Amino acid sequence: GESVGLHLPTLSVQEGDNSIINCAYSNSASDYFIWYKQESGKGPQFIIDIRSNMDKRQGQRVTVLLNKTVKHLSLQIAATQPGDSAVYFCAEGLAGTYKYIFGTGTRLKVLA
Amino acid sequence: NAGVTQTPKFQVLKTGQSMTLQCAQDMNHEYMSWYRQDPGMGLRLIHYSVGAGITDQGEVPNGYNVSRSTTEDFPLRLLSAAPSQTSVYFCASRGLSNTGELFFGEGSRLTVL
Repeated sequence: GESVGLHLPTLSVQEGDNSIINCAYSNSASDYFIWYKQESGKGPQFIIDIRSNMDKRQGQRVTVLLNKTVKHLSLQIAATQPGDSAVYFCAEGLAGTYKYIFGTGTRLKVLA
Repeated sequence: NAGVTQTPKFQVLKTGQSMTLQCAQDMNHEYMSWYRQDPGMGLRLIHYSVGAGITDQGEVPNGYNVSRSTTEDFPLRLLSAAPSQTSVYFCASRGLSNTGELFFGEGSRLTVL
């Protein structure tokens, strides 16, 4: 909901520009990573995931980069659109378990 | 395609009252889970289940009970609500063979006075 996002870091980008959202993950043993998008008042929606044996994966207008050396994950959104305005957060998981660690999120604001 | 359905969307309780948040999924997912979302914090796992009759605790289980009598349903019970349980609750599911994508419901906003 809206109140959840009040204290989040915010990234403001012009419509049409590329966006880069960053995430530091916590467990060096995590072997898969996921990006979610959450619009105001809605549940999180899956965007893209990546396994630890990869360092880059591309989807439609999105690219996820994984740097295991510094435990860093990034989400790149090409040609950002107003509909991309939302809170984005990463999650890390370990295969064989059923638990995920979720980041706190970044609010993306797209300026017209 | 309904996906994950949560009810109610909003609820106000008084301290000490009990209630159940309902969650149903129509994707035949073995794994179902409940999270709470609070300002400034990531989603935190309350309880989860990997199949009918099987439940386990997550990160913040105290004050909550769950059961899994069918594949489709995974209700979350608050036996004696406390103001600290004011939060937005999300139910999520996935197939056991899929390590990544969780399908989330739309959330249930609970306020405990």
